Amino acid sequence: DAGITQSPRHKVTETGTPVTLRCHQTENHRYMYWYRQDPGHGLRLIHYSYGVKDTDKGEVSDGYSVSRSKTEDFLLTLESATSSQTSVYFCAISESGAGGGYTFGSGTRLTVV
Amino acid sequence: RKEVEQDPGPFNVPEGATVAFNCTYSNSASQSFFWYRQDCRKEPKLLMSVYSSGNEDGRFTAQLNRASQYISLLIRDSKLSDSATYLCVVNTNAGKSTFGDGTTLTVKP
Repeated sequence: DAGITQSPRHKVTETGTPVTLRCHQTENHRYMYWYRQDPGHGLRLIHYSYGVKDTDKGEVSDGYSVSRSKTEDFLLTLESATSSQTSVYFCAISESGAGGGYTFGSGTRLTVV
Repeated sequence: RKEVEQDPGPFNVPEGATVAFNCTYSNSASQSFFWYRQDCRKEPKLLMSVYSSGNEDGRFTAQLNRASQYISLLIRDSKLSDSATYLCVVNTNAGKSTFGDGTTLTVKP
């Protein structure tokens, strides 16, 4: 399997606190993505990166920020967590972008109480 | 209407059965198509790409109908291990991916 790991795997946090999720890859892929998965909504793109320091917003980016200072690491920050951000977060990598298919990490289950 | 819609599930089939799922898309500019498999509480995993001419991988066959704007996945000789949720993904030429909500398949002994 491709080398992509997410941390933490599970997290419970309080409303209003900042939270950072980490995605680490060992495949040297250019593209990295953060998705959230919720019942009835499928997977929705939060932010993506097409290179070091190159990021862009997805369809549900409000309340989230990202950073990519190295090829292998893509961080997702919830600036002030809300209950609506309780979800499963998946990081994905791709060598050639969306048309090449994705490899997903194992996910982070985040609960905001 | 959602951009990508999948057959509502769940599909419950006996071992050995043939089952097919459809996925319709609304954007005629869509360029590439994929099927992913997702096991319960796991990440999606790429199952197969979908090519214009149709493609087969063992017991799995994927087809694309551009005129009617849908893709399909056919599973022959279903195994217990095929039980999962199957997600279709449609990409535009601008690199935007839209995921379907998934169709759940349960294969029973």
